[in-house]
Amino acid sequence: DVKVTQSSRYLVKRTGEKVFLECVQDMDHENMFWYRQDPGLGLRLIYFSYDVKMKEKGDIPEGYSVSREKKERFSLILESASTNQTSMYLCASSLLSLGSSYEQYFGPGTRLTVT
Amino acid sequence: AQSVTQLDSHVSVSEGTPVLLRCNYSSSYSPSLFWYVQHPNKGLQLLLKYTSAATLVKGINGFEAEFKKSETSFHLTKPSAHMSDAAEYFCVVKRGFQKLVFGTGTRLLVSP
Repeated sequence: DVKVTQSSRYLVKRTGEKVFLECVQDMDHENMFWYRQDPGLGLRLIYFSYDVKMKEKGDIPEGYSVSREKKERFSLILESASTNQTSMYLCASSLLSLGSSYEQYFGPGTRLTVT
Repeated sequence: AQSVTQLDSHVSVSEGTPVLLRCNYSSSYSPSLFWYVQHPNKGLQLLLKYTSAATLVKGINGFEAEFKKSETSFHLTKPSAHMSDAAEYFCVVKRGFQKLVFGTGTRLLVSP
């Protein structure tokens, strides 16, 4: 089974702190993704990475950065946390697939509260 | 650009009655469409996917969806709801090479 793990289920941080969210996958997937999930808005893509050290902005990258130094690990960084970044953060991974087998696998999520 | 619209934010059914969760899509070419489910305090799980092989797609737990190009719809159905079906459901379209675009979600409530 594909397993995507996230470092914390719940996290509380103060405004202005630097926050690291870690994600690890164990299936040698090329692609990794960070989303945030907010009620009524669904999931929105923050960043994704299709290879080590490669990254691409998603739909809402402002206030976030990412790091991918190893294939299995993808980190989301909030340089200076703000209250509007309080949200559920979901990590996902997928194979680099051209065909119909495309599927993303999700971690359990990190609920981040910024006070 | 590819997008999906989920027509209901909440759907309530009684156990044993049919389920219908509605989704319309917008795409400039033949889309790849998915339904994901999120149970409380759990990660998202793929229910089913459409990739142009057959218009009626069967998924896990008795769910199925029908791709209707003329109506640009991809509604999710189940003949008989079970209490364990209570969850949030997301209609999703593939965008570009490797990305997914999610709908806003439909919360399914199942009463005894």
